[in-house]
Amino acid sequence: GEDVEQSLFLSVREGDSSVINCTYTDSSSTYLYWYKQEPGAGLQLLTYIFSNMDMKQDQRLTVLLNKKDKHLSLRIADTQTGDSAIYFCAERPGGYSSASKIIFGSGTRLSIRP
Amino acid sequence: NAGVTQTPKFQVLKTGQSMTLQCAQDMNHEYMSWYRQDPGMGLRLIHYSVGAGITDQGEVPNGYNVSRSTTEDFPLRLLSAAPSQTSVYFCASRGQREADTQYFGPGTRLTVL
Repeated sequence: GEDVEQSLFLSVREGDSSVINCTYTDSSSTYLYWYKQEPGAGLQLLTYIFSNMDMKQDQRLTVLLNKKDKHLSLRIADTQTGDSAIYFCAERPGGYSSASKIIFGSGTRLSIRP
Repeated sequence: NAGVTQTPKFQVLKTGQSMTLQCAQDMNHEYMSWYRQDPGMGLRLIHYSVGAGITDQGEVPNGYNVSRSTTEDFPLRLLSAAPSQTSVYFCASRGQREADTQYFGPGTRLTVL
């Protein structure tokens, strides 16, 4: 089946690194995504990784994929107050019938302490 | 490009009323989807479409209908609203290529009394 799980809350000190973790169940997933949702807003794609990669870096963001364990993580370096948001992990299942489907986790609310 | 637009932004309905949530995109995307977002449950897929004239059910389709008569528009219909349909609804679209990004609309906050 298709399921994505992530913890609901994370609190970090400003300037520290944040690491948000996610596990998924569909081994045929082609793409895995991280979205950011700020209060009252829609979802904004932060980054994505193709399933044949194990790492992707984009400025302060690092995505690590362990395909064997079906584990995805998002590291935000030098966390700032503007990073406060809900972060959603998502996967795109493989197969044509799933062409338009993206399965989302429940979201991790990241809060920043001064 | 306006991207993905949704109307209305807010709506209050009484139980049993019907309404249509509008979604439009101007990026010529083939794939469009409707999600609902509830606290602690992330986004759940209601219906999706892989092109004009083609729709399919997602994870939570009951109580909702969709149609896709044009590439641009993908309306979501509630035939008889229920309080369990109180939620925030997001429309999304993306292109056909594997790596194409999914773009989300700003959302419609619906309350059913």
